[in-house]
Amino acid sequence: DTGVSQDPRHKITKRGQNVTFRCDPISEHNRLYWYRQTLGQGPEFLTYFQNEAQLEKSRLLSDRFSAERPKGSFSTLEIQRTEQGDSAMYLCASRGEGGANTGELFFGEGSRLTVL
Amino acid sequence: GNSVTQMEGPVTLSEEAFLTINCTYTATGYPSLFWYVQYPGEGLQLLLKATKADDKGSNKGFEATYRKETTSFHLEKGSVQVSDSAVYFCALSDRRGYQKVTFGTGTKLQVIP
Repeated sequence: DTGVSQDPRHKITKRGQNVTFRCDPISEHNRLYWYRQTLGQGPEFLTYFQNEAQLEKSRLLSDRFSAERPKGSFSTLEIQRTEQGDSAMYLCASRGEGGANTGELFFGEGSRLTVL
Repeated sequence: GNSVTQMEGPVTLSEEAFLTINCTYTATGYPSLFWYVQYPGEGLQLLLKATKADDKGSNKGFEATYRKETTSFHLEKGSVQVSDSAVYFCALSDRRGYQKVTFGTGTKLQVIP
């Protein structure tokens, strides 16, 4: 179990550019979540995948945001035409199924985006 | 919708002091409750959890009891250490559906020697 990994850890971009983040969940976990965290705030839910199906999207996820999980393993989060307000830490989390499932999430270390 | 309210920080304590961080929640149904911790430069990690009323979660000397009647899940530690300095997040998860986790805004704890 290597944990949840995210790449890149840091991304600095100019306003208007596109960026893509990758998340590799724990291998046996079929549920994957993206969150966004801004300074001084708690993580805010963005979207949820069960296997390859995207089952829920927050209204925080504007049309410029798109997430995929093509084979039910890794996931990508793309932001098009970035704005300064997109600057945040993007967190990925995963968890598996199970009879004793209590909803605990396992988080990666996050991808920090800075839009200049 | 679900929400979590926790006391604002920062909280500054001397080593060996008693810690309480208050957390209350609003939820439909019967959620699971968590405390997550974020140490400087690290990712979020689960500190403790409780899944039903009157359950007490505990880990690393921290405790929290699921109080359904007051919709609370306050975090306590009898004697804090400098290494406990971190940001603490109270959170809840629906036990049905997609079970997404809803977080509070976090409370920064600084422990001074």
